[in-house]
Amino acid sequence: EVQLLESGGALVQPGGSLRLSCAASGFTFSNYGMTWVRQAPGKGLEWVSGISGRGAATYYAESVEGRFTVSRDNPQNTLYLHMSSLRVEDTAVYYCAKVFTSGGVIVGGTDSWGQGTLVTVSS
Amino acid sequence: DIQMTQSPSTLSASVGDRVTITCRASRNANTWVAWYQQKPGKVPKFLIYKASSLQSGVPSRFSGSGSGTEFSLTISSLQPDDFATYYCQQYNVYPWTFGQGTKVEMK
Repeated sequence: EVQLLESGGALVQPGGSLRLSCAASGFTFSNYGMTWVRQAPGKGLEWVSGISGRGAATYYAESVEGRFTVSRDNPQNTLYLHMSSLRVEDTAVYYCAKVFTSGGVIVGGTDSWGQGTLVTVSS
Repeated sequence: DIQMTQSPSTLSASVGDRVTITCRASRNANTWVAWYQQKPGKVPKFLIYKASSLQSGVPSRFSGSGSGTEFSLTISSLQPDDFATYYCQQYNVYPWTFGQGTKVEMK
């Protein structure tokens, strides 16, 4: 069974930094692209970042480009999101999610999600 | 970026109704569109991929269609468990983007 467990969410001041982690189990982690999606309180889903299985390719939403960095440690089955220059509008629940693959082919979309970790940016 | 615009934002319906949600892409998304269901306080659930393919375990009353810039999610006969918010997502190009969501509420 696929399991994704986020951690690292906290209350942080504007301009501060934070690192989120996502521990993965139940699948061959290095074979799958991974994404981060966030949801501000009472708002919709916002795709934040993605990374390929081997970590060679990374992608970002314009709203976080240059401030957030996605990375992964495949031997440790862990995904990271390094967040810096945090803003009040970054306040959200952050989910890690696994990219959907069918028959060994990357199809896209995300079929498994963690429970999320809350990041609050406030002074 | 490809903007995804859903309509309506809120839909009032009754059990047994046929419900359709529309998603319009600002430019060509081919068929690389997914749909998700989210209930309050819960994690999004993956319903449909590649515009019309049903994810394993999802009831057959859900269906998706479309290509290019126009997509839709249809629930053929709304069930009590289906009252939720639904999101479309394009993954044709990065950054992937979601629609703003459609809340299906009880009439």
